[in-house]
Amino acid sequence: EAGVAQSPRYKIIEKRQSVAFWCNPISGHATLYWYQQILGQGPKLLIQFQNNGVVDDSQLPKDRFSAERLKGVDSTLKIQPAKLEDSAVYLCASSLMGVASGANVLTFGAGSRLTVL
Amino acid sequence: DAKTTQPPSMDCAEGRAANLPCNHSTISGNEYVYWYRQIHSQGPQYIIHGLKNNETNEMASLIITEDRKSSTLILPHATLRDTAVYYCIVRVAGGYQKVTFGTGTKLQVIP
Repeated sequence: EAGVAQSPRYKIIEKRQSVAFWCNPISGHATLYWYQQILGQGPKLLIQFQNNGVVDDSQLPKDRFSAERLKGVDSTLKIQPAKLEDSAVYLCASSLMGVASGANVLTFGAGSRLTVL
Repeated sequence: DAKTTQPPSMDCAEGRAANLPCNHSTISGNEYVYWYRQIHSQGPQYIIHGLKNNETNEMASLIITEDRKSSTLILPHATLRDTAVYYCIVRVAGGYQKVTFGTGTKLQVIP
């Protein structure tokens, strides 16, 4: 099966500019996650969707970050305006929805590396 | 607010078994233990998961203590390609629990 697709792979912007990242999950995966991973740290959950509804966005800086998952498939994460501390890899992951333990295995994309100058 | 604690780093000689510990002392009865690893510049990759019985697959073995408060991931014959950061997480099967990663263990396999 095709994996989780993310684009762009790399992006360099100036501070105060905007950027958008796109994610296409594995077909049939109802749950979609966006993580931010700063160099040397573990992935930090920004937002978790169940179909097109938000399960958790408690760590999403809502003054500058926004995310949507229209029609419960693809998702876009936007940053506007960007700050220097937003430099990180943005990882998208997806999983099935269900009570079986295997349904909760996350499959990650390769990530989008953002550099803010 | 990760529910697990892991040593920040470990070394292992190539060809030897790598034993990576994870403490999850506050685990609930319906939470599973999942292990992932992240090789440099890639997204995390699923390895194995379990509830209370020991599990084995083609990649690794998972040993969970009887009280379920800790577990050990075993890579039976570590290779240089196993050099990565290994993450242990706990979560329920199903439901809407958010999935949180800690800082993981950086495993360095030495030739």
